[in-house]
Amino acid sequence: DAKTTQPPSMDCAEGRAANLPCNHSTISGNEYVYWYRQIHSQGPQYIIHGLKNNETNEMASLIITEDRKSSTLILPHATLRDTAVYYCIVRANTGTASKLTFGTGTRLQVTL
Amino acid sequence: DTAVSQTPKYLVTQMGNDKSIKCEQNLGHDTMYWYKQDSKKFLKIMFSYNNKELIINETVPNRFSPKSPDKAHLNLHINSLELGDSAVYFCASSQVFSGNTIYFGEGSWLTVV
Repeated sequence: DAKTTQPPSMDCAEGRAANLPCNHSTISGNEYVYWYRQIHSQGPQYIIHGLKNNETNEMASLIITEDRKSSTLILPHATLRDTAVYYCIVRANTGTASKLTFGTGTRLQVTL
Repeated sequence: DTAVSQTPKYLVTQMGNDKSIKCEQNLGHDTMYWYKQDSKKFLKIMFSYNNKELIINETVPNRFSPKSPDKAHLNLHINSLELGDSAVYFCASSQVFSGNTIYFGEGSWLTVV
């Protein structure tokens, strides 16, 4: 699976949009971009994933550049509960098991 | 209802003991995993089972033995516990034909003293 690069930490004011970047310049054509987050003392939580089109769900939006070498996770109205470590992961959706390789992620701190 | 549930949530035990962590998923998924998160917060896969068959086995000491009695359960048995086994162990599951999104349990905190 391709490796990703994320800033180690970011701050965001409550109510503002949080834009979390991720570089994945070695991504392969069959690899998806996944985002998970881990709130303190909880299990990783799936947020969103995409292949090449932008995606949106009730939690977030995912913007993938046209060359697919980078992406941005957008939390439109961050709340204190969004404080967590956010992981950007790229992997192929092939085979009977898909191994998620977690990096160090971005620690997002949402403040009042 | 909890989708992926693990027991126990907390476990403190002495070196040399044998312990088990149980995991159950009610999502109807056919693939289950065990991940380990160490004190530095790195999250790494240990094992994966698909329909009770072992398909991923990362370089894990053979003191760790997963057992899958059916596709809804994947238990982790650890023999001769060592101090370095102290970590948070996460169970997870996915369904291969539904995007393979992986869903995690809440973790089991193992402390070896």
